[in-house]
Amino acid sequence: SYELTQPSSVSVSPGQTARITCSGDVLAKKYTRWFQQKPGQAPVLVIYKDSERPSRIPARFFGSSSGTTATLSIRGAQVEDEAVYYCYSAADSNLRVFGGGTKLTVL
Amino acid sequence: QVHLVESGGDLVKPGGSLRLSCAASGFIFNDYYMNWIRQAPGKGLEWVSYISSSGSTTYYRDSVKGRFTISRDNTENSVYLQMSSLRAEDTAVYYCARENSAWSDAFDIWGQGTTVIVSS
Repeated sequence: SYELTQPSSVSVSPGQTARITCSGDVLAKKYTRWFQQKPGQAPVLVIYKDSERPSRIPARFFGSSSGTTATLSIRGAQVEDEAVYYCYSAADSNLRVFGGGTKLTVL
Repeated sequence: QVHLVESGGDLVKPGGSLRLSCAASGFIFNDYYMNWIRQAPGKGLEWVSYISSSGSTTYYRDSVKGRFTISRDNTENSVYLQMSSLRAEDTAVYYCARENSAWSDAFDIWGQGTTVIVSS
């Protein structure tokens, strides 16, 4: 088995850049995806293929990856960005893992 | 509009069985792999199972192997999760999610989830 490790919480003031990290050996070889989940809602894909952004996701969401660590950055974070963010990767077709989630607070 | 709608969640006793369904619309269903992902109350996301576009290949997380079976009916645009020998730790919201190979196999579309509670 393998794991993806995220900080449990991150806090920023509105307008600042929020950075959420995801660490795991598999990330050196496999893509990272990021999901946003607001209370009572299903997750939403915000980043795929380490740094690609679906067209409906605001440009302030930025993904990067280096070695065994991937980072989701939210430039100019807004109150509406408060959510839990999960990273995800697949070492193999039958080895698919989410990180534990990071609660982002913007206040 | 692309949609996934889950159903079938219920309260079931330990050792019982349940079948979840996920109905897809708005896209060519048999072009996509599908997955089930769950979330226990107050916990994070946990991948459960995968099925290929034709249904010929399936994968499961270790904790559900031998108890859960994923299947699909491409004529009905639906994917299913048959769950048996249910345990308290299977209590969760179960989401179905589309896997998009053009987006490095990202889960790009999710349903709203269906709740399974395993309790006596």
